[in-house]
Amino acid sequence: AQSVTQLGSHVSVSEGALVLLRCNYSSSVPPYLFWYVQYPNQGLQLLLKYTSAATLVKGINGFEAEFKKSETSFHLTKPSAHMSDAAEYFCAVSKDTGRRALTFGSGTRLQVQP
Amino acid sequence: GAVVSQHPSRVICKSGTSVKIECRSLDFQATTMFWYRQFPKQSLMLMATSNEGSKATYEQGVEKDKFLINHASLTLSTLTVASAHPEDSSFYICSASTQETQYFGPGTRLLVL
Repeated sequence: AQSVTQLGSHVSVSEGALVLLRCNYSSSVPPYLFWYVQYPNQGLQLLLKYTSAATLVKGINGFEAEFKKSETSFHLTKPSAHMSDAAEYFCAVSKDTGRRALTFGSGTRLQVQP
Repeated sequence: GAVVSQHPSRVICKSGTSVKIECRSLDFQATTMFWYRQFPKQSLMLMATSNEGSKATYEQGVEKDKFLINHASLTLSTLTVASAHPEDSSFYICSASTQETQYFGPGTRLLVL
């Protein structure tokens, strides 16, 4: 079975500050890991994905995440928060890139203070 | 990029009626589509996996007779909520997969009165 734990249901940062959203996973097979963003009343947009290539993955909107097998982590970071980054962020794990269902974490709501 | 649409985006219905939600991959063919459900302020929970031309695979606890899924073509899957009740009110999101990635639709908000 696979699972994802997102530490912190709410994270608040100041505009321009570092964003760090935590994700730890559990998987019996090499995982494929994803970060999605959801704006209010909208679907999910893929930020980035890890598919066993480079451990540091760069995504859209300046986000990146680092796969650390020893820590079973896939934390999402952005050097400088923007007001438009305020949204709900979901970490997800799968046994395959696209052909298997995703198991989602509980989500982290990011607030960006002016 | 790949686009997935859902229709309708929002539906309000009376208890006891059936509601059909369409999920379409607009610019790619998807052999597999997934249906998720999201309650307010909660994460997405997989309801079923839909493969073109075959019966859907439902997750434990999801009633297949209540949530009818039809994957008629490589670009269309439908979810029908049969005899909807207020507890079925939720945000329903579909995704369509390529070999590499799942692309999510914008979601359908269902409110059953």
